[in-house]
Amino acid sequence: AQTVTQSQPEMSVQEAETVTLSCTYDTSESDYYLFWYKQPPSRQMILVIRQEAYKQQNATENRFSVNFQKAAKSFSLKISDSQLGDAAMYFCAYRSEYTGANSKLTFGKGITLSVRP
Amino acid sequence: DAMVIQNPRYQVTQFGKPVTLSCSQTLNHNVMYWYQQKSSQAPKLLFHYYDKDFNNEADTPDNFQSRRPNTSFCFLDIRSPGLGDAAMYLCATSRVPRDRGRYEQYFGPGTRLTVT
Repeated sequence: AQTVTQSQPEMSVQEAETVTLSCTYDTSESDYYLFWYKQPPSRQMILVIRQEAYKQQNATENRFSVNFQKAAKSFSLKISDSQLGDAAMYFCAYRSEYTGANSKLTFGKGITLSVRP
Repeated sequence: DAMVIQNPRYQVTQFGKPVTLSCSQTLNHNVMYWYQQKSSQAPKLLFHYYDKDFNNEADTPDNFQSRRPNTSFCFLDIRSPGLGDAAMYLCATSRVPRDRGRYEQYFGPGTRLTVT
């Protein structure tokens, strides 16, 4: 079974600065997807960024980018130019490259990010 | 806008009194999921429907049931809520392709259940 580990329960960043959220995972599979989801307080969980394991290039979405190290099974999220609206709980998630009834996400425990004005 | 809708957003029920939570989607996705999320924890998958096929997680209590009468709607029934069932319940959908491929889950805003 796959596991996802987010070892830092909380982090804080100054507005306009850069922060990196860590995530490691364990799997014996070679094909999979990794995700970062954002869940603001009392608001909807939304997808921040996605990485396909077969792609060597790190995914980027505006101020969000990942550092995907497949051999090390590491998948960190970098948030540049942090904004107050980035304050949220962030979940790292894994999905096997598999379609059908049993395909599902494995989540880490999440990290609470606060942004200081 | 296509979306995942959950009603109600807040639900209060009494200990032992059956309660039903509702999820609807306009995305025409073939898979619908129900998660339980307790405060500051990761979502925990309860079960999901792949089209009409129901897939229960091994550790989901029998107290939790689900119905999917059509593609757009899915219900979570809690037959006899206990205090430990107070949580946020998240519905999510995805379009699982026939072949290998990328897809992600889209989440609704959740229903916060309080048990008194």
